[in-house]
Amino acid sequence: DVKVTQSSRYLVKRTGEKVFLECVQDMDHENMFWYRQDPGLGLRLIYFSYDVKMKEKGDIPEGYSVSREKKERFSLILESASTNQTSMYLCASRGTGGSQPQHFGDGTRLSIL
Amino acid sequence: DAKTTQPTSMDCAEGRAANLPCNHSTISGNEYVYWYRQIHSQGPQYIIHGLKNNETNEMASLIITEDRKSSTLILPHATLRDTAVYYCIVRDFQGAQKLVFGQGTRLTINP
Repeated sequence: DVKVTQSSRYLVKRTGEKVFLECVQDMDHENMFWYRQDPGLGLRLIYFSYDVKMKEKGDIPEGYSVSREKKERFSLILESASTNQTSMYLCASRGTGGSQPQHFGDGTRLSIL
Repeated sequence: DAKTTQPTSMDCAEGRAANLPCNHSTISGNEYVYWYRQIHSQGPQYIIHGLKNNETNEMASLIITEDRKSSTLILPHATLRDTAVYYCIVRDFQGAQKLVFGQGTRLTINP
């Protein structure tokens, strides 16, 4: 089974802090994704990466950056956390080719105070 | 990606088969049907996907009509742990990378 592991289930940070969310997958997938999920707004793509050191902006990249130094790890960085970044953050991975589905981690519920 | 329509909510008795419908009348030839579910406060879980043939795995069965305009996800023996929001998504595997979830069906399994 595909395993996507997010480093924290719950996280509380303060406004202005630099926040790191880590995601690791064990299936040698080329593609990795960061989404946020908010009530009434559904799933929104922040960034994705299709290879090591490669990244593409999603629909809402402002205030975020990402890092992919190794194939199995994709990090999301909140450069200076703000209260409107309080959300559920979801990491996903997907192999290349065909109709392979995305597999998600359990999510990190991040609260910015 | 084609739009999907699902009932807002459904109930099913524990031990019975849960049949979740999805309408995707504008589906095109390259688009697959995917099903995910999300249990409260957890990440979405992939269940199954298919193009035009019926599919079965250890979790569920997917029945796609011959014209591909609708499909049904079947959980053969529902348990309380199957209570979740179920999302039907249609997407072209060569299209945009992101997934877009609609409102989904809130399935409640009753004891």
